[in-house]
Amino acid sequence: EIVLTQSPGTLSLSPGERATLSCRASQSISTNYLAWYQQRPGQAPRLLIHGASTRAAGIPDRFSGSGSGTDFTLTISRLEPGDFAVYFCQQYSSTPPTFGQGTKVEIK
Amino acid sequence: EVQMLESGGGLVQPGGSLGLSCEASGFTFSNYGVTWVRQAPGRGLEWVSSISKSSTYIYVADSVKGRFTVSRDNSKNTLYLQMNSLRADDTAVYYCARILVSGSWYFDLWGRGTPVTVSS
Repeated sequence: EIVLTQSPGTLSLSPGERATLSCRASQSISTNYLAWYQQRPGQAPRLLIHGASTRAAGIPDRFSGSGSGTDFTLTISRLEPGDFAVYFCQQYSSTPPTFGQGTKVEIK
Repeated sequence: EVQMLESGGGLVQPGGSLGLSCEASGFTFSNYGVTWVRQAPGRGLEWVSSISKSSTYIYVADSVKGRFTVSRDNSKNTLYLQMNSLRADDTAVYYCARILVSGSWYFDLWGRGTPVTVSS
């Protein structure tokens, strides 16, 4: 199975700052079948990005995804209070679909 | 309102059984594949099982194969997960989620989750 490694484990930033989250795959992800989710405490995950760079419905344009092959990035251009959460990447290029261990974005 | 709502979680002893349900509303359930994903306390997300819209295709994670069974009843807009021979490492919040595009297993709509605790 494809192993996804996210870095950093924790990102300490202030509101208004830019966040850059990394997701690296153990093997190439074909067709850029990579998604990103946000999970706030006590809530279910929310789909942000699919296809590595396509924003899901209703997701603001301060969230953007990029990358290909084995290296992918989620960028939050200007952090708002509700963006402080845990972010997971997920590959759906092969079965089983797998998730990264998560990056926590916390208030500095 | 478009939503999915899980139920059936609880405390069960090791070796026991538990059945989870997930009722969908606000959309045509029979048009979508659906999936179960779990999250152990303080841990990441783990895919458990997926079922296609007509139950033609069923996929199960190796970690639960032979113990968990997924099914659905489109007439009731409901997804099920029957869990047998439960172990302590099955303790998690179990989420059901919708597969937006057939064959592309990313999940666009999630329930709030139902907690399962396996302990004596």
